[in-house]
Amino acid sequence: GIQVEQSPPDLILQEGANSTLRCNFSDSVNNLQWFHQNPWGQLINLFYIPSGTKQNGRLSATTVATERYSLLYISSSQTTDSGVYFCAVPDYKFYFGSGTKLNVKP
Amino acid sequence: DAGVIQSPRHEVTEMGQEVTLRCKPISGHDYLFWYRQTMMRGLELLIYFNNNVPIDDSGMPEDRFSAKMPNASFSTLKIQPSEPRDSAVYFCASSKGTTRAFFGQGTRLTVV
Repeated sequence: GIQVEQSPPDLILQEGANSTLRCNFSDSVNNLQWFHQNPWGQLINLFYIPSGTKQNGRLSATTVATERYSLLYISSSQTTDSGVYFCAVPDYKFYFGSGTKLNVKP
Repeated sequence: DAGVIQSPRHEVTEMGQEVTLRCKPISGHDYLFWYRQTMMRGLELLIYFNNNVPIDDSGMPEDRFSAKMPNASFSTLKIQPSEPRDSAVYFCASSKGTTRAFFGQGTRLTVV
């Protein structure tokens, strides 16, 4: 199956700071998705991004499929951004990375 | 759309009992996935269906686990008999093809 690696595994930010999360994958893919698991355990689909860049408020994501990586940018972080961020690569079934655990402190 | 609906949200059962988890996918989605999440193993895919047909059940840990999808709007995951090591959060997700996948809120299973 496809290998998905995320970095960093853990990240602590002060509220208002910016951050970049990275996702590397081992094979060509047709799309990539980013999820946020909030502290209550709910998994929210943030982006469906096969290539290029998309923006959603303070979050944006860029996927460079030819180089097999994707980046998730969080600007002006807020405490509500805390949780675990997963990238997932679908190849009929979804291969998830191990996640980046983000803690935004007030 | 109400999203993916799972029930129950929480389940506490005694070892040896049968447990049934339920999922209603988003209408129009043709893929349904069952995942299990634990601290040790993270998110594990147990089984997925396409058009109600099980496609890959290689993630199902043992014969104690079974899943069915009798129609496009309902799926069950059954554990019989349950064991303490089955304690985890079980998620159901659905998608249309390999486009955006949406997860239910999960069922937190505790087997004592």
